[in-house]
Parts: sequence; C-alpha cells; structure tokens
Amino acid sequence: AQSVTQLDSHVSVSEGTPVLLRCNYSSSYSPSLFWYVQHPNKGLQLLLKYTSAATLVKGINGFEAEFKKSETSFHLTKPSAHMSDAAEYFCVWSDNDDKIIFGKGTRLHILP
Amino acid sequence: DVKVTQSSRYLVKRTGEKVFLECVQDMDHENMFWYRQDPGLGLRLIYFSYDVKMKEKGDIPEGYSVSREKKERFSLILESASTNQTSMYLCASSLPGTAQPQHFGDGTRLSIL
Repeated sequence: AQSVTQLDSHVSVSEGTPVLLRCNYSSSYSPSLFWYVQHPNKGLQLLLKYTSAATLVKGINGFEAEFKKSETSFHLTKPSAHMSDAAEYFCVWSDNDDKIIFGKGTRLHILP
Repeated sequence: DVKVTQSSRYLVKRTGEKVFLECVQDMDHENMFWYRQDPGLGLRLIYFSYDVKMKEKGDIPEGYSVSREKKERFSLILESASTNQTSMYLCASSLPGTAQPQHFGDGTRLSIL
C-alpha cells in the first residue's frame, strides 16, 4: 500500500535558523507531492507542489522542497525560520488513480 | 482566490441528533472533499464528490453520509451523532485530477455531548 511518512511529529528550531521537515513516500511511477501548512484554528493552505517538472520546488513564504526520486523523499526547507512559521505542516502524496494520502503532520515550534 | 466556506466554526450537539455540516465553494470546482482531523491521526478522508449528485466513500465513511445537489455545495451528514464523532471537520475543493491542489475551509470543530 502507498504511504507517506513524516519522520518527525514535532520539530523545534530557533528563530533565524534553518528549518528541515522530512517527508518520505512510497514509490510511485509519477507522484504528485504537496506541502500544506495549517495555522491554529485554520484550514490547510498550500505551500508548494511537485508535479514532475523541476525537482526543486519553490513555494510561498520562503519555503522550498526537493524531490529526490532515489531517496523517495520530499523534504521541506527554509533558510531562516520566523516566528510566524510556527504551525503544523502536512506532506501529501497523490497518484494518477485519484488516490490522495496525507502524512500525519509535523508541528513546527519556533524558539525566540 | 478560491474561497471555501464552512457554515459553522464551532458546533455542539447531543448524541443521537442528526447533524448537518455545510460547505460552499465559489470557484466552480468539480471536486469536493470532507475530512476529519484528530490529534496524532492527521487528516482522514470521509467522503468526496467529483460532480453534482456523485459521491464516493473515503477511508472512514461509517456513520456519515453526504449530499451534493448543487456544484458549489457539499454537505456532510451525521445520521445519529455519537461522542466518537467529536472532531475537527475540514471541507476542501479542487479542480479535476489529483495533481491539483486542494483549497480548504477553516474547519468546523464539532463536539458531541
């Protein structure tokens, strides 16, 4: 069965330091991959998506993710964390058969 | 910008009641989805719809039904509410195809007493 694994349920970083949120997926011929962010009491907002174009995808708010087929990974990064980045982040996988799978989420904490 | 509006942010109901959660989108999207979100479990798909009057079961449809009489509106129905249905419910919409991103409402936090 296809799956998405977010390797950390919680990540804490200091403001101004880099952010790395890890996501691995089970292999598929041509997956679509997404990262969403959810701030408290809000719905999910799209950060970025990969759909078999460039492997390095740039998103909103300075986030980017790199699709690595050999590692079946799609990690989310940001060079410098801001307090407003504190939220929950979801990695999402989909295939061409209308199947969509959400990771269980990573809660990002920003330390002052 | 796409707007997905869920009719209630917070709702409190009693066990055994029939509960309706409403969702409206304003971008003429074909696809609409209902999820529930619980701590540690992430989002789980309850039902989705690819067109008016069409519905498909997701991963956890038991105890729920849906209605899509108009393209812009997708309703989730709890036939007889139970305490284990206390949760955050999220509605989303998208263009056709799973490569399309979903647009989410702000959620309805439902408590069943």
